[in-house]
Amino acid sequence: AQSVTQLGSHVSVSEGALVLLRCNYSSSVPPYLFWYVQYPNQGLQLLLKYTTGATLVKGINGFEAEFKKSETSFHLTKPSAHMSDAAEYFCAVRESGGSNYKLTFGKGTLLTVNP
Amino acid sequence: DGGITQSPKYLFRKEGQNVTLSCEQNLNHDAMYWYRQDPGQGLRLIYYSQIVNDFQKGDIAEGYSVSREKKESFPLTVTSAQKNPTAFYLCASSRRGKDEKLFFGSGTQLSVL
Repeated sequence: AQSVTQLGSHVSVSEGALVLLRCNYSSSVPPYLFWYVQYPNQGLQLLLKYTTGATLVKGINGFEAEFKKSETSFHLTKPSAHMSDAAEYFCAVRESGGSNYKLTFGKGTLLTVNP
Repeated sequence: DGGITQSPKYLFRKEGQNVTLSCEQNLNHDAMYWYRQDPGQGLRLIYYSQIVNDFQKGDIAEGYSVSREKKESFPLTVTSAQKNPTAFYLCASSRRGKDEKLFFGSGTQLSVL
C-alpha cells in the first residue's frame, strides 16, 4: 500500500530564507510523486511532479524537488521565500504499476512567511 | 475557459438528510475524483472513476455514493449514514494515465445544522 508522510505540519520562515518542506513516501512499486499547493478556500494546483528520468524536478514559482530513492524522499525546496508563498503544501504518491489509480496525499504542511 | 465547477460553494445538511454535491468538468478528462479535506488530515479519497459508468471506492467511501453517467459529471451524495459529514469536499479530474496531474475544483464546504 502507498502512503505519504510529511514531517512538520507547520513551517515558518522569514522572507528571503530557504524553504524546505519534507516528504517521505512508501510504495511497493516505483512511485510517481507530486507536490500541490493550496491557497485558502481554494482547490489545489500542481507545483511539480516526478515520473521518470531526472531526479531533480523544477516546478512553478521557483520551487524544485529531488527524488531520492534510497531515502524514499521527495523534499520540496525554494532558495528564497516570498510572502506570496504562504499556503498549504501537499505531497502525493501514486504507484506507477498495476491497475490502482489511487492518488494518496500527505496531511499537508502549512508554510508561513514572516516579513 | 476549461475547468471544473463545483456547486454549491456552501451547503448545510439536516439530520437524516441526504445531500448531493455537484461536480462538472469541461476538460474532456476521463478520470474524476472526490476527496474530503479535514483540518490537519490532508485529503482523503472517497471515490474515483476512470471511465463513464465505472467507479471505485477510495479509502473512506462509507456513507457516500456516486454516479458517473456522463463523462462531464461526477456527483457525490452524502447520505444520512455518514455521521460526521462536516468537511471541505474537493472534486478533481485528470486525463487517463498515472503520471497525469489532477485539476481541482474550488470546493464545497458542507456543514451540519
